[in-house]
Amino acid sequence: QSALTQPPSASGSPGQSVTISCTGTSTDVGGYNYVSWYQQHPGKAPKLMIYGVNKRPSGVPDRFSGSKSGNTASLTVSGLQAEDEADYYCSSYAGSNNLVFGGGTKLTVL
Amino acid sequence: EVQLEESGGGLVQPGGSLRLSCVTSGFRFGDYWMSWVRQAPGKGLEWVANIKKDESEKYYVDSVKGRFTISRDNAKNSLYLQMNSLRVEDAAVYYCARGRESFGTYFDYWGQGTLVTVSS
Repeated sequence: QSALTQPPSASGSPGQSVTISCTGTSTDVGGYNYVSWYQQHPGKAPKLMIYGVNKRPSGVPDRFSGSKSGNTASLTVSGLQAEDEADYYCSSYAGSNNLVFGGGTKLTVL
Repeated sequence: EVQLEESGGGLVQPGGSLRLSCVTSGFRFGDYWMSWVRQAPGKGLEWVANIKKDESEKYYVDSVKGRFTISRDNAKNSLYLQMNSLRVEDAAVYYCARGRESFGTYFDYWGQGTLVTVSS
């Protein structure tokens, strides 16, 4: 049950796009279309942003999109806004009734 | 409005026990998988345990197997986590979360969390 690998930090200027990667293995990210992404502001609970690799829950702006290629999933935030500054975590079903999260990426809006 | 509210956290000595509770409202509790997810201070998220709608299946991360027990009371719309033999590394904010799809592979609603501190 190893954690998924995310870059510790990412940044972009308002209006730009930024992509956060989430690398796993063929037994988690690569093996299932059960990747989800969560946004967490300091001191707050996580919020679901993407599920099933690329599906957006109601209320999440379409500036947020998800994708997957092989063992790596990605979250892209387009048209960066100040309120997008937060920590982002990926998660994947890992088989054998396990779930695994990534280590998190701190997104800074410059 | 969907709401989840955890309670029961606090300071406990290594080897001690705590029971966390999560009271929910705004949805048919018995229709959903439920989970506990924790976050150590300054660290990332870690899935802890899942429980099926009818309590027939329960799953745990390896590090808590044999020490933690997840349970639910559908009549009370409540989720529980009994934590025994607590270790320093169990210290974290514990979140209650509603699971979706089979096994509860993602979480669409979260509580605000309850802090567990394990220290002598």
